[in-house]
Amino acid sequence: NAGVTQTPKFRVLKTGQSMTLLCAQDMNHEYMYWYRQDPGMGLRLIHYSVGEGTTAKGEVPDGYNVSRLKKQNFLLGLESAAPSQTSVYFCASIQQDRVNTEAFFGQGTRLTVV
Amino acid sequence: AQSVSQHNHHVILSEAASLELGCNYSYGGTVNLFWYVQYPGQHLQLLLKYFSGDPLVKGIKGFEAEFIKSKFSFNLRKPSVQWSDTAEYFCAVTKNSGGYQKVTFGIGTKLQVIP
Repeated sequence: NAGVTQTPKFRVLKTGQSMTLLCAQDMNHEYMYWYRQDPGMGLRLIHYSVGEGTTAKGEVPDGYNVSRLKKQNFLLGLESAAPSQTSVYFCASIQQDRVNTEAFFGQGTRLTVV
Repeated sequence: AQSVSQHNHHVILSEAASLELGCNYSYGGTVNLFWYVQYPGQHLQLLLKYFSGDPLVKGIKGFEAEFIKSKFSFNLRKPSVQWSDTAEYFCAVTKNSGGYQKVTFGIGTKLQVIP
């Protein structure tokens, strides 16, 4: 049972390049989230998904797109990377059961845009 | 706007000192409360959680937190910190919002424990 797995763990991009971050969870969770973590700003929600085939914007969605074609995978895309997107990205998943809403996090992806 | 406030952004303590990190939230109604810890270079890990019942919650590594509903607070405590507690601590709240579980994090508190 791997929990939540993010790939890649590190990446350096040039301005204007594109890339996709993959989040995979094996806990059959309905909800999945992408956050970015920046010094002094905590975790900010980029996009989230409440189930397969659904996505929605979070707090800071501009410059990112997401897809949830399969329940276990939640992809975060940067079509044209900018230096302002240099950050650490975390994926999380939560079970739909309203009693237990503990979030499980991936290991993070450290992205640098030069 | 719904929010989670952590009052101390950077705390420096000597080993064996007592710790209390403040967390307040602005949601009404039923919420679930969490403290997560992030050790340097690592991902967030659950420290403890409160769903219902006894408002004093005990977590891993000697941490505990008390839910005070009247104050909308969920402060984290540890009687005697160790150097290995050096990390960043995040308070989080989940609430059912429009049919999904909205998770909101505080800005985080960096704890530095000096040997």
